Amino acid sequence: GAVVSQHPSRVICKSGTSVKIECRSLDFQATTMFWYRQFPKQSLMLMATSNEGSKATYEQGVEKDKFLINHASLTLSTLTVTSAHPEDSSFYICSATSQAMNTEAFFGQGTRLTVV
Amino acid sequence: GNSVTQMEGPVTLSEEAFLTINCTYTATGYPSLFWYVQYPGEGLQLLLKATKADDKGSNKGFEATYRKETTSFHLEKGSVQVSDSAVYFCALSGGSNYKLTFGKGTLLTVNP
Repeated sequence: GAVVSQHPSRVICKSGTSVKIECRSLDFQATTMFWYRQFPKQSLMLMATSNEGSKATYEQGVEKDKFLINHASLTLSTLTVTSAHPEDSSFYICSATSQAMNTEAFFGQGTRLTVV
Repeated sequence: GNSVTQMEGPVTLSEEAFLTINCTYTATGYPSLFWYVQYPGEGLQLLLKATKADDKGSNKGFEATYRKETTSFHLEKGSVQVSDSAVYFCALSGGSNYKLTFGKGTLLTVNP
């Protein structure tokens, strides 16, 4: 299958700082990328859908000013957690897909964010 | 809206036991159905999928059949191994936006 690389895998940051997480499709062009948040022992919560070259579509209840998503190219999307607080600590996962991949979604390895 | 309900875990089995994880769904139209597996500390990997009624997805000894009449996509494996220990997610995708709706996940632990 296709490869999606997410970086970093783990990050610890101080309250009030911003953190950027990258999601790259390594061997295909991803027209659509998704960002999820996973709480301990819970399912994945879709945060936003990102289409290349356009603004991300955020799910209800997700603060777009806090979770900035950029999808500037067909192989890269970034999620920036701005002014992070301890309650933002979580596991963030991206996925990428395109019509060329028969709409199958390929997931990154996830990023464990800890805000101290 | 779309929803997925899957068997709550955790499920603990001995090696070589039979596995069933139940999954039912609610969706408009004709969704595609998926099972994903998540190993500790990792992202999700597609285990198998089915895109239309009566299709059977299979991979690594796991199987699931798309049952439209019962709106179900139960995951089965005849003989589990310790290496199958992971969290399993049932999911569906409907519409043109490729969005996935996930179940809550089922933690499977297989003991030697």
